[in-house]
Amino acid sequence: AQSVTQLGSHVSVSEGALVLLRCNYSSSVPPYLFWYVQYPNQGLQLLLKYTTGATLVKGINGFEAEFKKSETSFHLTKPSAHMSDAAEYFCAVSDRTGANNLFFGTGTRLTVIP
Amino acid sequence: EAGVAQSPRYKIIEKRQSVAFWCNPISGHATLYWYQQILGQGPKLLIQFQNNGVVDDSQLPKDRFSAERLKGVDSTLKIQPAKLEDSAVYLCASSFDIFNTEAFFGQGTRLTVV
Repeated sequence: AQSVTQLGSHVSVSEGALVLLRCNYSSSVPPYLFWYVQYPNQGLQLLLKYTTGATLVKGINGFEAEFKKSETSFHLTKPSAHMSDAAEYFCAVSDRTGANNLFFGTGTRLTVIP
Repeated sequence: EAGVAQSPRYKIIEKRQSVAFWCNPISGHATLYWYQQILGQGPKLLIQFQNNGVVDDSQLPKDRFSAERLKGVDSTLKIQPAKLEDSAVYLCASSFDIFNTEAFFGQGTRLTVV
């Protein structure tokens, strides 16, 4: 069974500051890992994903995440926050059976302070 | 390329009434998903179709929820009778096939049950 824990339901950063959104997962099998972003009244948009290979994954809008198996973590980072990054971010995990059944965390709302 | 289309965007009904949501996936996408997103929570998979067959409906409350994808393209999700706790955003997503790890999401239908 898979599960995802996102630490911090709300995160505030100043514009230009580092963004760090935390995600820990639990999975009985090697996982696929995802970060999605959701803007108000919009659907979810894929930021990045880890399936196999390089553990540091680069996504859209300057975001990246590192898969750390020993820590069961997949934290999302961005060196410099922009006002347009304000949104809800969801970490998700799926198993590797190919069913693409995503288990989502409860989300982290990012506020960017000018 | 057109995205996943959902309608209606908003719906308010009284408890015990019935409601239906419609989804048109991205053209050529064989796999279609319905997710339920309750306020403050991450999306939860309700049902997954591969073409017109059900792959996973283990989390669908079958006593009141039903879904179909008769021709393997559009899909309809129905709730009858609705309960207060069904208030949520219902998200439809599609992917090229069951082994493709990127799902594209629609904007969702926000249901309020009063």
